[in-house]
Amino acid sequence: AQSVTQPDIHITVSEGASLELRCNYSYGATPYLFWYVQSPGQGLQLLLKYFSGDTLVQGIKGFEAEFKRSQSSFNLRKPSVHWSDAAEYFCAVGAKSSNTGKLIFGQGTTLQVKP
Amino acid sequence: NAGVTQTPKFQVLKTGQSMTLQCAQDMNHEYMSWYRQDPGMGLRLIHYSVGAGITDQGEVPNGYNVSRSTTEDFPLRLLSAAPSQTSVYFCASSYQKQGGTEAFFGQGTRLTVV
Repeated sequence: AQSVTQPDIHITVSEGASLELRCNYSYGATPYLFWYVQSPGQGLQLLLKYFSGDTLVQGIKGFEAEFKRSQSSFNLRKPSVHWSDAAEYFCAVGAKSSNTGKLIFGQGTTLQVKP
Repeated sequence: NAGVTQTPKFQVLKTGQSMTLQCAQDMNHEYMSWYRQDPGMGLRLIHYSVGAGITDQGEVPNGYNVSRSTTEDFPLRLLSAAPSQTSVYFCASSYQKQGGTEAFFGQGTRLTVV
């Protein structure tokens, strides 16, 4: 079955510390991958995406993610977290071959930033 | 530069009432989708469309209908609202680009069924 797992429901980090949010997927087709961020009461904003090519992708707000096919993972990282990064983060996967726009989302990880 | 517009932003319904959540996009995207967001469950696909006149069911379609008469609009109908449909609903439109499709989301509709 196709699925996306974000193992950490809540993560708390201190401001200025590094961050890694985990994402693992199970997908039969060749995937393309996304990370979205959602601030309270807001919609989803795309942080970054992986379609093909370089497995280390850079996104907005200083985020990056690395696609590791052998581990079926697409972890999100940031070297130094800012208080404004507190939000909920979603990993999502779609199939290159589907031509439907459908995405499968993980459960989300809520990031809290301590001052 | 409107993007994906959802209306209303908030709605309270009584059990058994029906309503339509509106979604419109002005980017001429061929794909549109509806998701619901519930705590601890991420976003789950309700229905999707790959073009005008073509719709299909997603993961959680029961209790919802959709139609797509134009490229721009993709309304979601709740036939007889139930408390289990209390959720935040997101509409997305997508387009095919090199390597994959990229989705753009509306701001969401927060629905409470009492």
